[in-house]
Amino acid sequence: AQSVTQPDIHITVSEGASLELRCNYSYGATPYLFWYVQSPGQGLQLLLKYFSGDTLVQGIKGFEAEFKRSQSSFNLRRPSVHWSDAAEYFCAVGAAGNTGGFKTIFGAGTRLFVKA
Amino acid sequence: ETGVTQTPRHLVMGMTNKKSLKCEQHLGHNAMYWYKQSAKKPLELMFVYSLEERVENNSVPSRFSPECPNSSHLFLHLHTLQPEDSALYLCASSQDNGGPLGEQYFGPGTRLTVT
Repeated sequence: AQSVTQPDIHITVSEGASLELRCNYSYGATPYLFWYVQSPGQGLQLLLKYFSGDTLVQGIKGFEAEFKRSQSSFNLRRPSVHWSDAAEYFCAVGAAGNTGGFKTIFGAGTRLFVKA
Repeated sequence: ETGVTQTPRHLVMGMTNKKSLKCEQHLGHNAMYWYKQSAKKPLELMFVYSLEERVENNSVPSRFSPECPNSSHLFLHLHTLQPEDSALYLCASSQDNGGPLGEQYFGPGTRLTVT
């Protein structure tokens, strides 16, 4: 069965430090992978996506993620965290649905706290 | 501005009430979704509509009834809810080309409290 695991429920990082959010997936075929961010009181916003090609993908707001097939991982990185990055981050995989279509399966999320 | 709007933003209802959540997308997409987001739980997909036809229903209780009158509007009709149905209900849209889904655009959600 398809699944997405985000091992860290929450992470605290100092402003200016680097960040890596972990994501592992389980999917039999070539995965379609996404990272979304949710600020308090808001819906989710797409940061970046991987469908094929270069395994290092660049997203908005200076985020990047690297697809590693051998590790079934798609970790999100940011070289220098800003206070405004404090939010909840969701990893997701596009997978075949029950009725032949496709659906997106989300991880449980990692909440990022940024300290001054 | 995400292009997906939801009303109301907050709703408090009793267990015997009937209410509806509304979602509208202004992005020209052909697929729309309802998700339930509860504290400390993964986002749960409830319903998917593609070209106004329901294509996915993840075993949602019948007290939740979706309606998609056209590709721009999506409703979630609620009746005889339970306190455990209290959650943030998110609407999303995407362009469904028949293959793996592209990115979804989310609305801000409706915070529902059932008393």
